[in-house]
Amino acid sequence: AQSVTQPDARVTVSEGASLQLRCKYSYFGTPYLFWYVQYPRQGLQLLLKYYPGDPVVQGVNGFEAEFSKSNSSFHLRKASVHWSDWAVYFCAVRGGANTGKLTFGHGTILRVHP
Amino acid sequence: DAGVTQTPRHEVAEKGQTIILKCEPVSGHNDLFWYRQTKIQGLELLSYFRSKSLMEDGGAFKDRFKAEMLNSSFSTLKIQPTEPKDSAVYLCASSRDWGCTGQLYFGEGSKLTVL
Repeated sequence: AQSVTQPDARVTVSEGASLQLRCKYSYFGTPYLFWYVQYPRQGLQLLLKYYPGDPVVQGVNGFEAEFSKSNSSFHLRKASVHWSDWAVYFCAVRGGANTGKLTFGHGTILRVHP
Repeated sequence: DAGVTQTPRHEVAEKGQTIILKCEPVSGHNDLFWYRQTKIQGLELLSYFRSKSLMEDGGAFKDRFKAEMLNSSFSTLKIQPTEPKDSAVYLCASSRDWGCTGQLYFGEGSKLTVL
């Protein structure tokens, strides 16, 4: 069965600092991986997605993520965090193109201090 | 284009009641999903429809949860009878072509409180 672990429930950074949110996945095979963000009182929105190919994928608002098969990881990064990035970030894995099931991690709350 | 619309945004029910949550997917999207979001369990898949056909359902939710797609632009999630443990945010999402794009568009959710 597929699973996702986000080891950090909360991360606090200063505005302008760099950011890494960790994601570890478990799936036997080649996964399809996603990062979603949930801003306060809004629905989840797609930040970026990985399909088999280039391990570094670019997303919206300066976010990027790197897939590592050897580490079973898909960490999210941003070079300079803005206060508007304060939100909950979810990593998710889908096992193949024909399943509807998207397995989410429990999310990481990102707090940004001025 | 309008996004995914969910109603009601908030619902309070007594234990044992029947509640119906509604979802209108993005126009033209063929795939529709229902998820439940709680702090403890996170996001759990309840149902997945493709072109109005039920493709997957969350096994643990079969007995009291029933999702239907009455037409390509409207879906309902019925919980009958409700229990306090059903208190959660219920999210509806749609996708134009889930198999290719893998991108879901989520609604803002319906927050259910069962007393």
